[in-house]
Amino acid sequence: QKEVEQNSGPLSVPEGAIASLNCTYSDRGSQSFFWYRQYSGKSPELIMFIYSNGDKEDGRFTAQLNKASQYVSLLIRDSQPSDSATYLCAVQNSGNTPLVFGKGTRLSVIA
Amino acid sequence: DAGVTQSPTHLIKTRGQHVTLRCSPISGHKSVSWYQQVLGQGPQFIFQYYEKEERGRGNFPDRFSARQFPNYSSELNVNALLLGDSALYLCASTDIGAVTEAFFGQGTRLTVV
Repeated sequence: QKEVEQNSGPLSVPEGAIASLNCTYSDRGSQSFFWYRQYSGKSPELIMFIYSNGDKEDGRFTAQLNKASQYVSLLIRDSQPSDSATYLCAVQNSGNTPLVFGKGTRLSVIA
Repeated sequence: DAGVTQSPTHLIKTRGQHVTLRCSPISGHKSVSWYQQVLGQGPQFIFQYYEKEERGRGNFPDRFSARQFPNYSSELNVNALLLGDSALYLCASTDIGAVTEAFFGQGTRLTVV
């Protein structure tokens, strides 16, 4: 059974701080890792993906991957109230195979 | 470019009824996947279609079926609805490649009463 684990939160951070969201996965064969943002009542929106060990930066977002530890994280710098949402971690074995999602972490950015 | 479109956006059905949900992928994308998301959980994979053929199926009962049409749009059908089928049904559109980013439609909120 492939599993993706996330702390459900809520994770509360003050405006302007760095939010750190974590995800672990059970399948060592996993190749690609995705972060989605989901506002309440809306569908998931792709933020970024990563498939190589290390860091990948896109604007205020940085994804970090450590395959040896089966761990992926998302850092959000200069957090804004508009970042308040549920963040879903998804894992994929290879191209065009189904995504396996965690339950998501609810982030609350306090103004 | 139009994104992934799903219809209807909301639906209320009675137990035992049948429902059909529709999805049009992003232009040029040939693969469509369906996911079910119940409240408080992450999306769960139901089906994947590519080039009109089923390429994967999740752990869902035979009451769930789907198909893909020549224009790559897709339908998800659910028979004999149960209260537990109430969920947000998501369609994901992907291109084919080594890393395939899945883009979701706005979803169909199904409520079974």
